[in-house]
Amino acid sequence: DAGITQSPRYKITETGRQVTLMCHQTWSHSYMFWYRQDLGHGLRLIYYSAAADITDKGEVPDGYVVSRSKTENFPLTLESATRSQTSVYFCASISGIGELFFGEGSRLTVL
Amino acid sequence: GNSVTQMEGPVTLSEEAFLTINCTYTATGYPSLFWYVQYPGEGLQLLLKATKADDKGSNKGFEATYRKETTSFHLEKGSVQVSDSAVYFCALSDPNSGYALNFGKGTSLLVTP
Repeated sequence: DAGITQSPRYKITETGRQVTLMCHQTWSHSYMFWYRQDLGHGLRLIYYSAAADITDKGEVPDGYVVSRSKTENFPLTLESATRSQTSVYFCASISGIGELFFGEGSRLTVL
Repeated sequence: GNSVTQMEGPVTLSEEAFLTINCTYTATGYPSLFWYVQYPGEGLQLLLKATKADDKGSNKGFEATYRKETTSFHLEKGSVQVSDSAVYFCALSDPNSGYALNFGKGTSLLVTP
């Protein structure tokens, strides 16, 4: 099926562990994004990518790393998870007419 | 930078009531404006959009008009249904970050029978 797939959908980890959230899109959209959603903050942009091997920081990039070796994949890594990174993470891509398409989200709990 | 401010929720309405959710924006240039909806446990879905001043976006009975003079993009629906219960996000495009959308904090809507 066409669309954006995120995995895992749910993850519980411990402080200090490395976690990678995967994102895969089937449209070949150039731009992809990672947001986090927290109560009282709405959605905040973590990182974005304009194309393979081109990434840039968003509003809240600290503690996160991204890569984009292929157009269709945009993984987000928390190198050493902290409790403040407990959140719901959304991957998105943007179409040529400016519509943002979201994955279903990955709910991460850091204990 | 570009930003949006939307009314705080939660908003509770009876079925068939009129809905308005206010959204104002701050931007340089002429960004596109959007309303997204999020149902429980799901990602955000585009509800409607407007790309230039005086444009009206509409979908599923919802409407919003891009008002440059008041920098607003208020969401309205004439008669809400229980199935409209969700969180609504106003957003605008930011050309400085790959046309990522800057979102408001969201307004939770609960429609009761």
